[in-house]
Amino acid sequence: KQEVTQIPAALSVPEGENLVLNCSFTDSAIYNLQWFRQDPGKGLTSLLLIQSSQREQTSGRLNASLDKSSGRSTLYIAASQPGDSATYLCAVLHLIQGAQKLVFGQGTRLTINP
Amino acid sequence: NAGVTQTPKFQVLKTGQSMTLQCAQDMNHEYMSWYRQDPGMGLRLIHYSVGAGITDQGEVPNGYNVSRSTTEDFPLRLLSAAPSQTSVYFCASSYFEGANEQFFGPGTRLTVL
Repeated sequence: KQEVTQIPAALSVPEGENLVLNCSFTDSAIYNLQWFRQDPGKGLTSLLLIQSSQREQTSGRLNASLDKSSGRSTLYIAASQPGDSATYLCAVLHLIQGAQKLVFGQGTRLTINP
Repeated sequence: NAGVTQTPKFQVLKTGQSMTLQCAQDMNHEYMSWYRQDPGMGLRLIHYSVGAGITDQGEVPNGYNVSRSTTEDFPLRLLSAAPSQTSVYFCASSYFEGANEQFFGPGTRLTVL
């Protein structure tokens, strides 16, 4: 059974710092990995999608890497801003017998202090 | 494009009542799914559909029914609400081929008294 773990569960840093959020998964037979952002009381916003054949994806100040063989992904946020405060979720997608199975981590709650 | 829309945003039910959570998408996605999000449990898959007329169970299907009569709509029905169904419910959709990027709706916060 696929298990996704995100470390740390919570992180508080001063504005301007570069930071890394970690995601690990136990089954490397994934189709893709997706990073989401969730603001309090809101839905999930897709940040980056990495296909299983890719090593990294970049969008603005965000960079996500994927090492499928070791079961790890990292989300790098450069020059953090107070607006980056949110919960960040990673999820891995399996294609099993024609069905898509998305398994989520518990998330990292990020606070950027002005 | 409106993306994935959900109604209502908030709902309070009494134990035993029934209701339908609505989900619609305008991206012509074949795949649609329902998740519930609970503190300490993360997001868990309830039901999913790979196309009109085809649905299947996810991780936590008990107490919920679904149907898919059109590509656009995927309603979730609670036949007899229980306090254990108090949660935030999210609908998601994606293409079945290609990148399979998942798009989520804004959620429905349900309280069962």
